[in-house]
Amino acid sequence: DQQVKQNSPSLSVQEGRISILNCDYTNSMFDYFLWYKKYPAEGPTFLISISSIKDKNEDGRFTVFLNKSAKHLSLHIVPSQPGDSAVYFCAASGRQGGSEKLVFGKGTKLTVNP
Amino acid sequence: GAGVSQTPSNKVTEKGKYVELRCDPISGHTALYWYRQSLGQGPEFLIYFQGTGAADDSGLPNDRFFAVRPEGSVSTLKIQRTERGDSAVYLCASSLTKAGSVVDEQFFGPGTRLTVL
Repeated sequence: DQQVKQNSPSLSVQEGRISILNCDYTNSMFDYFLWYKKYPAEGPTFLISISSIKDKNEDGRFTVFLNKSAKHLSLHIVPSQPGDSAVYFCAASGRQGGSEKLVFGKGTKLTVNP
Repeated sequence: GAGVSQTPSNKVTEKGKYVELRCDPISGHTALYWYRQSLGQGPEFLIYFQGTGAADDSGLPNDRFFAVRPEGSVSTLKIQRTERGDSAVYLCASSLTKAGSVVDEQFFGPGTRLTVL
């Protein structure tokens, strides 16, 4: 049972346009959500996060929106740049049992075309 | 000022062999995590250390997998009697546990690609 789902394996957008990556979760105990970006042959790097007490967090070109009632979050990148091309992972944490382990989705491969 | 490092970067072994994967976390980071990423999947949690002790090993798939962190810094993931299904990228992450923080950012290493023939 996948607790964090990214239903779009890939997304292609034009440079300068908005990229929207979606993520759904099933476990209501999750209280913190993160987006990681991964280039080939590198480890994931942290991008942006949001606590469950908020519905929006913005950092430069990146904004994460959280809809708790729908158990849905999204990452908006605007304007998209070719260097944003990577695999994006949605992750959730619930500090279950005192562990800060992250539960990841399968990822969405974003391609930004020049 | 290095990040998390993992060695080896690639490991090819034969079914039934024993392997050790090493992780050097960022200096001063008290928390260390191991994840496994299979092809087409996201990273999957294996084990979490806080200092020297394994605070959560609920992700270890079976007793062939074991991890240690004897001095609270470097960690070794050990896999006995490897199987072809163990082939994956093994990722290590570390974080600095800050009092009062909600969740501490985990910094990932580049991973070790394990191939079991």
